[in-house]
Amino acid sequence: GENVEQHPSTLSVQEGDSAVIKCTYSDSASNYFPWYKQELGKRPQLIIDIRSNVGEKKDQRIAVTLNKTAKHFSLHITETQPEDSAVYFCAASPTYSGAGSYQLTFGKGTKLSVIP
Amino acid sequence: DAGVTQSPTHLIKTRGQQVTLRCSPKSGHDTVSWYQQALGQGPQFIFQYYEEEERQRGNFPDRFSGHQFPNYSSELNVNALLLGDSALYLCASSLLGTSFTYEQYFGPGTRLTVT
Repeated sequence: GENVEQHPSTLSVQEGDSAVIKCTYSDSASNYFPWYKQELGKRPQLIIDIRSNVGEKKDQRIAVTLNKTAKHFSLHITETQPEDSAVYFCAASPTYSGAGSYQLTFGKGTKLSVIP
Repeated sequence: DAGVTQSPTHLIKTRGQQVTLRCSPKSGHDTVSWYQQALGQGPQFIFQYYEEEERQRGNFPDRFSGHQFPNYSSELNVNALLLGDSALYLCASSLLGTSFTYEQYFGPGTRLTVT
């Protein structure tokens, strides 16, 4: 099955700096890669996603890049703010019709702290 | 537009007991996936229900079972509870029907404590 590795496990940045979180996956059949933000005691919230036919996607201060050849994808947050502090999870999923399809395999999470 | 809802919010059970958790998907969604999130870990896929059938299953024992109703809501049942079943149980809804979308949206979760 799919295995997703996520680094770093903790990340502290000064407000206004950039943060980068990296993930690798093992199953070449995976073609959908979402990122979730989870604040303490809250549900995981989808913040951005990317599909395998796209190399990069941006949404305001957040961007995700994907390298299918190397099987890795990254989350970039620019101009970080204290409200960006949370645990971030990457995930991977195949979306073809078959065993394992549409199920998300998550990384172990990155605790991001933005210091004012 | 109602989001994903789950009940109950918290639950305390004793080892060996059985528990039922409930989930209502986001309006317009037809698929429910269940995940277990242990403290400090990422969610782990349990199983997925579409058209009232279990379509995919993760690496969880048969003690974990589920059901989907005609209105797309779903239940997760866990029998013979173990201490290790203590976790946050999340359901996520998505759309696999004619207007397929990739996104899965999570509910607030049910915190299960087994003593």
